[in-house]
Amino acid sequence: DTEVTQTPKHLVMGMTNKKSLKCEQHMGHRAMYWYKQKAKKPPELMFVYSYEKLSINESVPSRFSPECPNSSLLNLHLHALQPEDSALYLCASSQDDKGSYEQYFGPGTRLTVT
Amino acid sequence: GQNIDQPTEMTATEGAIVQINCTYQTSGFNGLFWYQQHAGEAPTFLSYNVLDGLEEKGRFSSFLSRSKGYSYLLLKELQMKDSASYLCAVRFSGGSYIPTFGRGTSLIVHP
Repeated sequence: DTEVTQTPKHLVMGMTNKKSLKCEQHMGHRAMYWYKQKAKKPPELMFVYSYEKLSINESVPSRFSPECPNSSLLNLHLHALQPEDSALYLCASSQDDKGSYEQYFGPGTRLTVT
Repeated sequence: GQNIDQPTEMTATEGAIVQINCTYQTSGFNGLFWYQQHAGEAPTFLSYNVLDGLEEKGRFSSFLSRSKGYSYLLLKELQMKDSASYLCAVRFSGGSYIPTFGRGTSLIVHP
């Protein structure tokens, strides 16, 4: 199984809502990532988890809160988002966070904040 | 910054060959990835180069020159389904080692 799954595929939320994005992989990868991607732009790194611990936070606003309940799951909790947060949110995993292994990306969650 | 640069857009004809270039700051270089991303989909891994030279994988090849800070992705026998964005991602030492993505090259293949 070389798949990273993400739910939901699409999400529309108001600025006062609280929602969560979910990501799962069963490849035994020990590094998991959240990226944000705007149209026609490259993915921007948000968070990295390594062995279930947060290792990198790229100065992401606190309205985004990551969580790694176990080695296969990664969540991104959303609260009080702004319209400019509308984007494709991609989850990825790799064997480790040392960067010498390719990343496997999930299909993404298309988020619209109204 | 790491100054990763790729052309924004390229067009090519079905059946032809196209070369997509990527240049980057050489200081701290530690590996380069190429990914393909179709519109609205996730990036998928194409190749990884850490040593100089050409790596061939079917219709796709990737080349690296570390001294020049230069890589290219070569696509042969282009097919319509090759229309996609091609992302160069570079790994640098001295930091987190997480690869940094270039802006991507949008390739349009026409009949």
